[in-house]
Amino acid sequence: QKEVEQNSGPLSVPEGAIASLNCTYSDRVSQSFFWYRQYSGKSPELIMSIYSNGDKEDGRFTAQLNKASQYVSLLIRDSQPSDSATYLCAVNEYNFGNEKLTFGTGTRLTIIP
Amino acid sequence: DADVTQTPRNRITKTGKRIMLECSQTKGHDRMYWYRQDPGLGLRLIYYSFDVKDINKGEISDGYSVSRQAQAKFSLSLESAIPNQTALYFCATSDSGLYLVDEQFFGPGTRLTVL
Repeated sequence: QKEVEQNSGPLSVPEGAIASLNCTYSDRVSQSFFWYRQYSGKSPELIMSIYSNGDKEDGRFTAQLNKASQYVSLLIRDSQPSDSATYLCAVNEYNFGNEKLTFGTGTRLTIIP
Repeated sequence: DADVTQTPRNRITKTGKRIMLECSQTKGHDRMYWYRQDPGLGLRLIYYSFDVKDINKGEISDGYSVSRQAQAKFSLSLESAIPNQTALYFCATSDSGLYLVDEQFFGPGTRLTVL
C-alpha cells in the first residue's frame, strides 16, 4: 500500500502570514500531485496541480515539488480567514494500468485574525 | 447546475438494510470514483470505473458493490448496511486526459448513518 503522509495539524497561522503545508509520498514513480481544499462538511475542491519538479504559482498559492526527496508542499501567501480549511494532498499511484489517486489524511489549517 | 450530483444528500438507515447511493455527472468524463471519508482516515477509495465496461475494486470494497449504468451514472450499493459503514461518501469524476491520472472533481457528498 502506497502512502501519502501529512501532518494532521491543526496548523495555526496569523492573518497575512505565509502558511506552509507539507506532504511526503512513498511511490517513487508517482507523476501527478494535487492539493485539495476541504471546508468542514463540504466536498474537496482542487486548488493546485503539479507534475514537474520545481515551483508552480497560482495567485496566492505556490506548489513545490521535489521528486528526489518525494516531497510536495503548498505555500499560501497573505493568509486569509477564508483559507481556514483542511488541505488534502493527493498523489497518483501506479497499479498495473489502473492508476488512481491516494489521498493523505489532510492538514487542518486555521488562520487567526 | 452542479456538474457532479449525488442523491440522497443525507440518509439514516438501519442495520441490515440495502441502500443505494447515486451519482450523476454532466462533465462528460469517462472516469468515476466512489470514496468514503471518516474522521482521521482521510478519503479512501471504494470502487472506480474508467468506462462503462470497466469496474475496479479500491482499497475498501468489501461490503459494497457498484453499477455503471451509463457514462454519466455510477451507483454505489450497500447490500446489508452495518454501523461501521457510517461515513461521508463522495463520488468523483475525472477525464482521461494528458496525464494518466488527471484531477478529480467531487460531488457534494452523501452523509450516511447506519443505526
